Amino acid sequence: DAGVTQSPTHLIKTRGQHVTLRCSPISGHKSVSWYQQVLGQGPQFIFQYYEKEERGRGNFPDRFSARQFPNYSSELNVNALLLGDSALYLCASSLASGRPEAFFGQGTRLTVV
Amino acid sequence: EDQVTQSPEALRLQEGESSSLNCSYTVSGLRGLFWYRQDPGKGPEFLFTLYSAGEEKEKERLKATLTKKESFLHITAPKPEDSATYLCAVREPNTDKLIFGTGTRLQVFP
Repeated sequence: DAGVTQSPTHLIKTRGQHVTLRCSPISGHKSVSWYQQVLGQGPQFIFQYYEKEERGRGNFPDRFSARQFPNYSSELNVNALLLGDSALYLCASSLASGRPEAFFGQGTRLTVV
Repeated sequence: EDQVTQSPEALRLQEGESSSLNCSYTVSGLRGLFWYRQDPGKGPEFLFTLYSAGEEKEKERLKATLTKKESFLHITAPKPEDSATYLCAVREPNTDKLIFGTGTRLQVFP
């Protein structure tokens, strides 16, 4: 069975640009969460979506947004990129809300120059 | 405020030299403590979930234990392929949000 897949794996963007990151959860998983991991730190929670509804939001500015599609895949959008947005963006899927065993994808490495 | 602290930040071991990693937490009502392994540039790989004090889980050379205030990840006779960063996380009450520590970077030398 395929695990969590994220695309692209690497991305370089210029300050002020917009970026869209994509995630396909494990088959049968309905909950998707997004995390940001800066080098040397643990992942920081950005969003959780379950059944296409936002179930949680971390302490990130409104430049960050996300959505979940009917097939449970998800997109994370970041507007007006800053140098400080450079990080590994991780998507995690779990079977359902309340089933917190989360399985992560390989991440998207975003570099803002 | 819910918080997770891991120690040490880095650990260097000789192959076969057993040791333990520590994860201390403060959370109002534990709803699960999670251990992950992360290789450089990769996403975290799920290892264990612990829910109540006294619980233990094992996988190959790894054993995770839980008390009311901390968890330990014991590594018995480690091999170089065990080299990775080990992350600990707790679930925030009433959400699915995971709160992570900064991890312990383990290096095992032959």
